Amino acid sequence: GAGVSQTPSNKVTEKGKYVELRCDPISGHTALYWYRQSLGQGPEFLIYFQGTGAADDSGLPNDRFFAVRPEGSVSTLKIQRTERGDSAVYLCASRRTGGNTGELFFGEGSRLTVL
Amino acid sequence: AQRVTQPEKLLSVFKGAPVELKCNYSYSGSPELFWYVQYSRQRLQLLLRHISRESIKGFTADLNKGETSFHLKKPFAQEEDSAMYYCALRAGGANNLFFGTGTRLTVIP
Repeated sequence: GAGVSQTPSNKVTEKGKYVELRCDPISGHTALYWYRQSLGQGPEFLIYFQGTGAADDSGLPNDRFFAVRPEGSVSTLKIQRTERGDSAVYLCASRRTGGNTGELFFGEGSRLTVL
Repeated sequence: AQRVTQPEKLLSVFKGAPVELKCNYSYSGSPELFWYVQYSRQRLQLLLRHISRESIKGFTADLNKGETSFHLKKPFAQEEDSAMYYCALRAGGANNLFFGTGTRLTVIP
């Protein structure tokens, strides 16, 4: 695809439910990031993948959050027992490694609303 | 720990006026600084990075290590510059970016 694709674009769920958010990065980008953006805030780092492995998951707020990237391409962010405070826009970004310019290419985000 | 501060949440200027969006950072090492922009109904995208020392869409930003600042400037604002601007920092050796809280720029016709 031409850019980073995220689905769903909008998700409304009830407190306590399980949610999965999907990210399809730009083809050939080995680095993948998840960020969370709450209202009035900048993107907040959650997790970074290099290939299939999570190279840095220091931004995950607690053990209800988990992300996978089993084949080194598509990634899924999983949130268990959702809470109202999880409501935010979840952004995915990818980056080409090698000749690193630091530029991240972002998706349009998945807006999660927990009622 | 790294920190990026954008003191202005909102900034309005008239078309043709100069504009400066402020960014200050806190980091003990040598950082890389970036400006990202989000236009209405578009995704977040890179505007410029300090290592390139480039001018993009008339915008420039100079890294001032003494003042730990990376302010974004443009001499003559245009209506199409209206957007949300985020300053971001990458610590030496790190792979992720730390973002500021953003400044919404409105250019008044």
